[in-house]
Amino acid sequence: EDQVTQSPEALRLQEGESSSLNCSYTVSGLRGLFWYRQDPGKGPEFLFTLYSAGEEKEKERLKATLTKKESFLHITAPKPEDSATYLCAVRHYTGRRALTFGSGTRLQVQP
Amino acid sequence: GAGVSQSPSNKVTEKGKDVELRCDPISGHTALYWYRQRLGQGLEFLIYFQGNSAPDKSGLPSDRFSAERTGESVSTLTIQRTQQEDSAVYLCASSLREVDFFGPGTRLTVL
Repeated sequence: EDQVTQSPEALRLQEGESSSLNCSYTVSGLRGLFWYRQDPGKGPEFLFTLYSAGEEKEKERLKATLTKKESFLHITAPKPEDSATYLCAVRHYTGRRALTFGSGTRLQVQP
Repeated sequence: GAGVSQSPSNKVTEKGKDVELRCDPISGHTALYWYRQRLGQGLEFLIYFQGNSAPDKSGLPSDRFSAERTGESVSTLTIQRTQQEDSAVYLCASSLREVDFFGPGTRLTVL
């Protein structure tokens, strides 16, 4: 059974204070690992897809990396508008097509 | 173009009543998913439609839950005899290839 565990559950940063969010996963045959951002009262918004160990992707202040067991979402010099819940999810290479999600990391960036 | 839309945005119902939730996917997207998100938790897969293939219903929690989709258009999720534990945000997503795009969700409250 696929499992996704995210840590920490919540993170409070000062503006400009860089940090990383962790996503540990167990899946037999990873087709892709996905990062989404979710603002209160809204649906998840796609950020990145990573397909193989060693892959990295960047978007503005965010950088996602992938190993065979975990993924990190690095946030460099965050701003208050980066405050949101960040969700990690995996998709199986075969079998069920739907994503398996972690419970998310709630990030608060204070000015 | 328009994203995924869902209606209603909020639904309050009494225990034992039936409810119907609607999802309008992005035009041309062949895959459609329903997920449930309880307060403070990650997304829980419910059902997956892909074109004219038989749907993957493996995530439906009980026979009170059902969903339909006609071709590659609108989908409806029906919950019969609602219970208080059905209170959650119900999210719909559609995709053409690897990335799933989410709607804003329907917040269901069962009194």
